[in-house]
Amino acid sequence: EVVMTQSPATLSVSPGERATLSCRASQSVNTNVAWYQQKPGQAPRLLIYGASTRATHIPARFSGTGSGTEFTLSIISLQSEDFAVYYCQQYNDWLRTFGQGTKVEIK
Amino acid sequence: QVQLVESGGGVVQPGKYLRLSCAASGFTFSNYAMHWVRQAPGEGLEWVAVISYDGRHRYYAGSAEGRFTISRDDSKNTLYLQMNVLRTNDTAAYYCARGAVVVDGSPHWHGLDVWGQGTTVTVSS
Repeated sequence: EVVMTQSPATLSVSPGERATLSCRASQSVNTNVAWYQQKPGQAPRLLIYGASTRATHIPARFSGTGSGTEFTLSIISLQSEDFAVYYCQQYNDWLRTFGQGTKVEIK
Repeated sequence: QVQLVESGGGVVQPGKYLRLSCAASGFTFSNYAMHWVRQAPGEGLEWVAVISYDGRHRYYAGSAEGRFTISRDDSKNTLYLQMNVLRTNDTAAYYCARGAVVVDGSPHWHGLDVWGQGTTVTVSS
């Protein structure tokens, strides 16, 4: 099973600033990584797939990079609606494991 | 519109069973792999199981292997999760989600792009 490790667990950011979230895979997953956003009481929402492709209707301030074992989700100029928990997920292996999540909170 | 609606959650005693359903609408259900993902209270997302578009392939997380069975009925556009020998740590919100789409016989993964609202399972004596 591929283990996905996210860091940091919590990220405190001021509105308008940039947030950088990391995700590391225990073995190479090529570019088979997706990122999701989840707000309290809601289902997750797909942001990024293929490590860097934005899903439909996702704003351009969200971007993903990486390949192999190291991946990054960047959010430039954080808006109030961006404060949430973010998860990475690998789909290189049939067991589609998630990271443990990074909470982006208001500083 | 594209929609997934889960049902079947509830309170059940340890050792008992439960079957969850996920009704799909607004898309060609039979062209998609489907997943179950769960989230224990206050915890992160845990992938549970996947079934291929044609039902031939099924894979499970270790926590579900041997106790849970994922299935689908394309005539009813419905996904199922049969959960047996339930444990207290199976308590969670269970989400169904749409996965890879098959095009010309090949699967194309675009992430879990559609999710249901979730159904809650509580395992308690």
